Amino acid sequence: QVHLVESGGGVVQPGRSLRLSCAASGFNFKNHGMHWVRQAPGKGLEWVALIWYDGSEKYYGDSVKGRFSVSRDNSKNTVFLQMNSLRDEDTAVYYCARDRSGMVGGLVVDSWGQGTLVTVSS
Amino acid sequence: NFMLTQPLSVSESPGKTVTLSCTRSSGSIASNYVQWYQQRPGSAPTTVIYENNQRPSGVPDRFSGSIDRSSNSASLSISGLETEDEADYYCQSYDSTNLGVFGGGTRLTVL
Repeated sequence: QVHLVESGGGVVQPGRSLRLSCAASGFNFKNHGMHWVRQAPGKGLEWVALIWYDGSEKYYGDSVKGRFSVSRDNSKNTVFLQMNSLRDEDTAVYYCARDRSGMVGGLVVDSWGQGTLVTVSS
Repeated sequence: NFMLTQPLSVSESPGKTVTLSCTRSSGSIASNYVQWYQQRPGSAPTTVIYENNQRPSGVPDRFSGSIDRSSNSASLSISGLETEDEADYYCQSYDSTNLGVFGGGTRLTVL
């Protein structure tokens, strides 16, 4: 079955960088778009970023545009989220999620990872 | 940009049927698929409905989704409520300028 495992979370100071990874298994990774979705403590879900099946298209939520970058390595079944210029308000659990489509026109997630916590604090 | 509005909380008794609503502020609810995600306390979200009314494998048929053009809203119905259905439920849709819009979530209490 589909298995998504995030890693790379931790405590980081404001203004610093962090790179998250999501290792996928149990499905044909190169056929699916992948998303990052986050959830601040006690808050709802917020879409962060999307990368198409082949990495040719990338899209970002307004709150992270210009600071975060999504990428993928289809040879290693892994998607990444590079987070730069981190702010206090980026503190959240970050979930990796699989889209049903490869060329994604809008988030239609059918599988989620367990999440990794990022805490931005001095 | 549009918003999806959900009631903050809903309560219902075991064995009953509950319907959770999700209203789109602008643009047609029928223009883009609606998804529903369940999040039990302390756990990651899981998908219970995608593409308005499709159930992933493993989701019981007690869960059903629909859209209503007249009220510009989507609904998630859960029949035969069980205590394990107690969770936060998020609706989600998108448009060409915002690829992922989530509702604020409804906390379902089964008591």
